[in-house]
Amino acid sequence: GAVVSQHPSRVICKSGTSVKIECRSLDFQATTMFWYRQFPKQSLMLMATSNEGSKATYEQGVEKDKFLINHASLTLSTLTVTSAHPEDSSFYICSASSGVTSTDTQYFGPGTRLTVL
Amino acid sequence: SQELEQSPQSLIVQEGKNLTINCTSSKTLYGLYWYKQKYGEGLIFLMMLQKGGEEKSHEKITAKLDEKKQQSSLHITASQPSHAGIYLCGASQGAQKLVFGQGTRLTINP
Repeated sequence: GAVVSQHPSRVICKSGTSVKIECRSLDFQATTMFWYRQFPKQSLMLMATSNEGSKATYEQGVEKDKFLINHASLTLSTLTVTSAHPEDSSFYICSASSGVTSTDTQYFGPGTRLTVL
Repeated sequence: SQELEQSPQSLIVQEGKNLTINCTSSKTLYGLYWYKQKYGEGLIFLMMLQKGGEEKSHEKITAKLDEKKQQSSLHITASQPSHAGIYLCGASQGAQKLVFGQGTRLTINP
């Protein structure tokens, strides 16, 4: 149980285009989903937290208009990188939690590697 | 803000040997998670600890949280090649947020 998928696993795009990444909880309903970014040989950095049907809460320094997050259902959240630039190239990982308490476990997707040319 | 320090940053052990990874927090831990990541992949949940002195085991991996709830250790017994990867500790920040340590890269030599 507690499987989270991400699509696509890899994407290469041209500078200036937008890219959408999907995160799905396959066998549970995710009240909260999280989006992280990971640079090579570094740890995960939380970008934003999204609750189903609500606006996402972004971490300090993360541009809301650049990284659009939608959590339209209890099993799907999307991250759209708008007007992507080479510096947006990174490994993006989502996680999902079915609980509402502060210590409920997050289950992670396999990640999406974005390369912007 | 809470910070997690993992040690060592990297570890190379001979197959069959035991090893320990430590995670030290700058503040009291209210929920401590251990995850494993293979390069270029997502995180696999291993264990979660909440109570001071708590210890959990799964197969050959044991995680402990000290009584003061500021330090956790992950111990692997009789290591195997399948244990290789990056081990990350994460601390609950409230509102279900997690802050992660920098990770420990484990290599198992046959």
